[in-house]
Amino acid sequence: QSALTQPRSVSGSPGQSVTISCTGTSSDVGGYNYVSWYQQHPGKAPKLMIYDVSKRPSGVPDRFSGSKSGNTASLTISGLQAEDEADYYCCSYAGSYTLYVFGTGTKVTVL
Amino acid sequence: EVQLLESGGGLVQPGGSLRLSCAASGFTFSSYAMSWVRQAPGKGLEWVSGISGSGGNTYYADSVQGRFTVSRDSSKNTVYLQMDSLRAEDTAIYYCAKGGPPRAVVILYYFDYWGQGTLVTVSS
Repeated sequence: QSALTQPRSVSGSPGQSVTISCTGTSSDVGGYNYVSWYQQHPGKAPKLMIYDVSKRPSGVPDRFSGSKSGNTASLTISGLQAEDEADYYCCSYAGSYTLYVFGTGTKVTVL
Repeated sequence: EVQLLESGGGLVQPGGSLRLSCAASGFTFSSYAMSWVRQAPGKGLEWVSGISGSGGNTYYADSVQGRFTVSRDSSKNTVYLQMDSLRAEDTAIYYCAKGGPPRAVVILYYFDYWGQGTLVTVSS
């Protein structure tokens, strides 16, 4: 099972919006509505930001939103803030054998 | 408050073994599946293994199938990862995470809490 494809980096100025794509196949992203997104600051453990494609855990700002179309999922950060600078990983359920596949990761830079 | 505390990492020679532990608290341990996710130095996340809430079902990535064994002890609220025949490419931070395999009282198709990770280095 190959890793999901994400852009290596995206950037934006404070207050702007950025969108990170996550492309898989019909066996993972396209086959299930179980895409999640994780934020990871340097030296820290990942933190759940979005689950089940578009749901936000309690405590995650509503500036973070998720969506999916076909085999591609997306994470949008609106009103970008300095603390949003981090690495972001998507993850998809991939069936009863492989279970989970992560994305390649995207570094978000706040200019 | 949910807490996951990993231990057991360290330096091991190629071909050697290591057992990681993850002590859980703050939730009904037996109601949730648990997973191990690793991150090689400077690299991305890789799901490694998972275990159902009851412990009766275990799952592995192809990269560790046949070498790693996941287990859990509900009396100690602890999940384990026994790693045998270790290779240089197994060098990584290993995170314990709550959720994963869809066989539990509460099914989570994601990882809502993570431990701080434990570093495993395989080198001669």
